[in-house]
Amino acid sequence: AQSVSQHNHHVILSEAASLELGCNYSYGGTVNLFWYVQYPGQHLQLLLKYFSGDPLVKGIKGFEAEFIKSKFSFNLRKPSVQWSDTAEYFCAVNRDYGGSQGNLIFGKGTKLSVKP
Amino acid sequence: KAGVTQTPRYLIKTRGQQVTLSCSPISGHRSVSWYQQTPGQGLQFLFEYFSETQRNKGNFPGRFSGRQFSNSRSEMNVSTLELGDSALYLCASSLGTSNQPQHFGDGTRLSIL
Repeated sequence: AQSVSQHNHHVILSEAASLELGCNYSYGGTVNLFWYVQYPGQHLQLLLKYFSGDPLVKGIKGFEAEFIKSKFSFNLRKPSVQWSDTAEYFCAVNRDYGGSQGNLIFGKGTKLSVKP
Repeated sequence: KAGVTQTPRYLIKTRGQQVTLSCSPISGHRSVSWYQQTPGQGLQFLFEYFSETQRNKGNFPGRFSGRQFSNSRSEMNVSTLELGDSALYLCASSLGTSNQPQHFGDGTRLSIL
């Protein structure tokens, strides 16, 4: 069965530190990749997505992610975090059925706490 | 435009009862997916509806069912509730192809006593 692994359960950083959250998936075929964020008390929001093309994708709020097919990875990065980035981050994958919506497989999430 | 709306926001039920949750998707979205979120299991896919037909299904027992109406609104029903069904139930809508992102609602928090 497909699975998504997020390596860190809880990450604590100081403001201005750099961030990298790891995500690996198990499916070998064509996939679509997503990072979602859930701020405290809010619903899940899309940060960025990768479908095809340039493996380095840029999202909202200065986040970016790199798809490395050979490593089945889609790590999330931000050069300098802010206190407002405190949230839970979820990596998600679905198989590309060439038109049909596959179900999203989520990682367990990484809680990011940024100290002011 | 309005986001995904889920009602009710909170529900308290007892074991053995049944419950119906509602989801109104973003206007124009024909796909509605349901997820269960718990601290232990994280986010797990329940099922997806597209044009009133169930198109994908996760690994949940038959007590979990759903339907979609012609206006794309969807309902999820859970019968014979168990303590383990306590969770946040999330609805997400999209245009319906796998490369379209899903947009999530705030969820319905279901507590079973």
